[in-house]
Amino acid sequence: DIVMTQSPDSLAVSLGERATINCKSSQTVLYSSNNKNFLAWYQQKPGQPPKLLISWASTRESGVPDRFSGSGSGTDFTLTISSLQAEDVAVYYCQQYYDTRKTFGQGTRVEIK
Amino acid sequence: QVQLVESGGGVVQPGGSLRLSCAASGFTFSTYSMHWVRQAPGKGLEWVAVFSSLGDNKYYIDSVKGRFTISRDNSKNTLFLQMNSLRVEDTALYYCARAGAGAPFDFWGQGTLVTVSS
Repeated sequence: DIVMTQSPDSLAVSLGERATINCKSSQTVLYSSNNKNFLAWYQQKPGQPPKLLISWASTRESGVPDRFSGSGSGTDFTLTISSLQAEDVAVYYCQQYYDTRKTFGQGTRVEIK
Repeated sequence: QVQLVESGGGVVQPGGSLRLSCAASGFTFSTYSMHWVRQAPGKGLEWVAVFSSLGDNKYYIDSVKGRFTISRDNSKNTLFLQMNSLRVEDTALYYCARAGAGAPFDFWGQGTLVTVSS
């Protein structure tokens, strides 16, 4: 199975400041035939199911604010919240969907400093 | 609109069985791969099983192989998870989620809670 490792496990950021979450896969999730990274980011708030934020490593889902951005390729990826808002407090997960067994990272908790 | 509604959770003793259901509506169920994902209390997300939209392909996380069986009834737009020989470590909120071909999970249910305890 592809192992997904996120860092840090948690971070506290002041309102309006940048939050950066890293995700590393144990093998590439870049599909060479179409040059797409099979990497997604989800946001989970307390008591709610996860919400898909970003697919293909960098494509924001409809309705997701543009302060959320994804980058990276191959095995190393980043989710950036450019200006943290109070409603962004949540746990964020990366997931690879390259393999049939679609594994998640352990999650990163984002809080307000 | 797309809806996924899980049911069937509850409290069961170790070694017991439960059958979870996920009722789907608002989309063409048969054309999507359907997954179960679980989340132990206070923990992260763990992918559990998938029933592909193509053929009869089913895959499981190693820790549930031989104990859990995923199935689907496309005529009733329902996904199932038969869970046997349950262990304390299977305690979790179980979500169903849909995925298009080669795509991430774009819709999730609210989950059903399974508690394995003596």
